Amino acid sequence: DAGVIQSPRHEVTEMGQEVTLRCKPISGHDYLFWYRQTMMRGLELLIYFNNNVPIDDSGMPEDRFSAKMPNASFSTLKIQPSEPRDSAVYFCASSWRQGLSDTQYFGPGTRLTVL
Amino acid sequence: QKEVEQDPGPLSVPEGAIVSLNCTYSNSAFQYFMWYRQYSRKGPELLMYTYSSGNKEDGRFTAQVDKSSKYISLFIRDSQPSDSATYLCAMKSGSEKLVFGKGTKLTVNP
Repeated sequence: DAGVIQSPRHEVTEMGQEVTLRCKPISGHDYLFWYRQTMMRGLELLIYFNNNVPIDDSGMPEDRFSAKMPNASFSTLKIQPSEPRDSAVYFCASSWRQGLSDTQYFGPGTRLTVL
Repeated sequence: QKEVEQDPGPLSVPEGAIVSLNCTYSNSAFQYFMWYRQYSRKGPELLMYTYSSGNKEDGRFTAQVDKSSKYISLFIRDSQPSDSATYLCAMKSGSEKLVFGKGTKLTVNP
């Protein structure tokens, strides 16, 4: 298996532009997580899905952020409009169950810079 | 008080040293404790997993959980330059989401 796939790997955009990050989870995994990592705040969970349904979006910072999972093999995280404080590394992770053994497998991340 | 506290380091040790990494937490409901390793410009990967209290050993790595003190540790014996990475503790209760520490950056010098 190729692991979790994220695109793009790097994104540089200007303030006010729309940014779309993409994730393909590991086949067969039914949980998908979006995280944001910064030096100041560490790794923060933004939202997670189970069987394509959003379960907890309490970590989404504000209405400028939205996430979708139209099918089991694809998810997007959208920021509109983007702001410099959104600059961070965004990780997608997937797992096949919650509970006793739910190893989350992380993708390589998207490094976002908003100028 | 943050739910999970972890000293960010950085920590620099010579090759062969024993490394001790630690986290404290405030939520007594946490039952599942993990250590993730993150190499530079990569995503975190699970290194060790422990349920409730006690020790778990895997090769050169030992994870310890002391729930009475709300304290977890990761020990690395005979550290190698390839162990140089950021180590993040993570924990959760039941099926709730993982809460991560900020990570400790470790450098093992040859």
